[in-house]
Amino acid sequence: EVVLTQSPGTLSLSPGERATLSCRASQSVSSTYLAWYQQKPGQAPRLLIYGASSRATGIPDRFSGSGSGTDFSLTISRLEPEDFAVYYCQQYGSSPYTFGQGTKLEIK
Amino acid sequence: EVQLVESGGGLVQPGGSLRLSCAASGFTFSSYSMNWVRQAPGRGLEWVSYISTSSGTIYYADSVKGRFTISRDNAKNSLYLQMNSLRDEDTAVYYCARGGYSSTWYYWGQGTLVTVSS
Repeated sequence: EVVLTQSPGTLSLSPGERATLSCRASQSVSSTYLAWYQQKPGQAPRLLIYGASSRATGIPDRFSGSGSGTDFSLTISRLEPEDFAVYYCQQYGSSPYTFGQGTKLEIK
Repeated sequence: EVQLVESGGGLVQPGGSLRLSCAASGFTFSSYSMNWVRQAPGRGLEWVSYISTSSGTIYYADSVKGRFTISRDNAKNSLYLQMNSLRDEDTAVYYCARGGYSSTWYYWGQGTLVTVSS
């Protein structure tokens, strides 16, 4: 099973700042099957990034993804108020599909 | 417009059974793999099960293997999750999500709450 470990657990930043979230896999993951999601309270997850670096439809270009192998990251270049939420990475290249435990991005 | 609408959640006693449904519309259901993902209260996302387009490939998380059964009816544009021998730790919001090796997980339902409690 591929274990995804996200860091930090909580990130406290102010609007306008840059956020960098990390996702480390216990074994190599194909970039094709690495995704990032945003989730707000009471809502379903929203796909942000797929294929490690491709933005999903409708996602602002301040969101970017990068990485390969076992190390992946999500960067939000300039935080907007609506970006404060929980973020999850996911791999679906091999079963069991797995999610990271999440990073909570909170307003400082 | 793509829509995924889950139903069938509710309160069930430990050891009981429940069948969740996910009604799909706005796309050719038979062309897409589907999944169930759950989220316990205050916790993160946990993938539960995957089914391929023709039901030829099915996967389960270890936590539900032998107790849950995923299925689909392409003629009815519907995905199902039969949940037996339910435990307290199965309490969660259950989401259906469209996605697999050849498609992104862009579309998710709004979720249905399953509460296992005596």
